[in-house]
This record gives sequence, C-alpha cells and structure tokens, in this order.
Amino acid sequence: DQQVKQNSPSLSVQEGRISILNCDYTNSMFDYFLWYKKYPAEGPTFLISISSIKDKNEDGRFTVFLNKSAKHLSLHIVPSQPGDSAVYFCAASATGGTSYGKLTFGQGTILTVHP
Amino acid sequence: GAVVSQHPSRVICKSGTSVKIECRSLDFQATTMFWYRQFPKQSLMLMATSNEGSKATYEQGVEKDKFLINHASLTLSTLTVTSAHPEDSSFYICSAFPVGSSYEQYFGPGTRLTVT
Repeated sequence: DQQVKQNSPSLSVQEGRISILNCDYTNSMFDYFLWYKKYPAEGPTFLISISSIKDKNEDGRFTVFLNKSAKHLSLHIVPSQPGDSAVYFCAASATGGTSYGKLTFGQGTILTVHP
Repeated sequence: GAVVSQHPSRVICKSGTSVKIECRSLDFQATTMFWYRQFPKQSLMLMATSNEGSKATYEQGVEKDKFLINHASLTLSTLTVTSAHPEDSSFYICSAFPVGSSYEQYFGPGTRLTVT
C-alpha cells in the first residue's frame, strides 16, 4: 500500500525554466510534508517542508504547495539550474502519537536540468 | 551544523556473517534515530525507530532478531545485520532527530551492504 506516490519517475527541464514535481498521498493522518533531494549512494538532503495548516511555503527558489482536499502537493523550482539535477523524494509524516517523526517516502522523481 | 555520519560507507560480507553499521550525530544530540533501507530504484522504507535508553520499535515485516538496534548514547545508534543473506544486500540509511527539534531530521550518507 503506497501511501505516498510520485507518479512521474522522471522529469527533464531546460535551465532557467520552472520544474514542477508532484506528490499525492492517501493517508489523511499525514499533517507534515517534506521534500528531500538525493544523489546516488548518498543520504537525502532536506529541502523544504510544509505543515498541513498552510497551503504554501517558500524558500528561495523552492516553493511547496499543498492542496489538502486533493491530498496533493507539489514542489516548484524556479529558475531551475543544472545543479538541481538529482532524485527528489516527497515524504509525509503523521506528527501525532507514536508516529511522531516517522517518514513515509514516495518513490522519487529523477529531475534532469539541461544547460 | 546537523551532520550525521555512518560507518562504514560500504561493506561486503559473506553469507551467514554479521555486520554492524554505526550512525552518529556529530554536532547535536538525538534521542531518536531512524533506520531506513533503500533497494535499487525504490523508495526509502522505514525499518525501525531507535530510542536512546530503550528498546527499538520495528515496522511491520522487519525481523527484530535479524536487525539488532542499539542506541547506547545520545549521539550513536548501531544496526547489526545478523546472519546476513544476499537478500539483505541494500543501501541502509539512518536519520537523527535533534533534541528539541519540531519535525526536521537529518540523514546520514548511507551504507551500501553487499552480501555474497
């Protein structure tokens, strides 16, 4: 049962354009969402997060949008740079009770930014 | 700040032997650490939650007698894969939750285990 889904295995974007990575979830208990960037044979690096009480969070070139009714979130990278090329994972957490801190990850999307 | 290290980064062992992987938070204390496993081209799957001073809690389907976890201090958690088999070959990643942190946790660089 894949509770967090990233349906696009890969995305190719031209440098300077916008990259939009999508993520869907099914568990209504999830109330905190994070995006991580990962290179092969390395651990994930935290990018940006959003709480379910918000619908948007911005940090520099990265913006995360949350649509709770659709159980959908997206990461926008503007402008995209070749150094952004990596695997991007969406993760979700149900912060209450015994699930605190536990992350459920999506399958990842490989982003390639072409010069 | 917020650096997590793992040792070793890569290990090859023979089937039937045991392997210990260390996870250290270098510049912060962590009462909670998590262990994940990632198979090639797949997502990170949570294996267990390591709590300092108490027993680890394991996710459904993860054998606690096979994957022994010890969280002896606020900066160190170890994962021991006992009687390893080729199907245990995977990328093992730990994360550490800083004391007082709200939600952010920091990941180690991972350990590639290959069982021959």
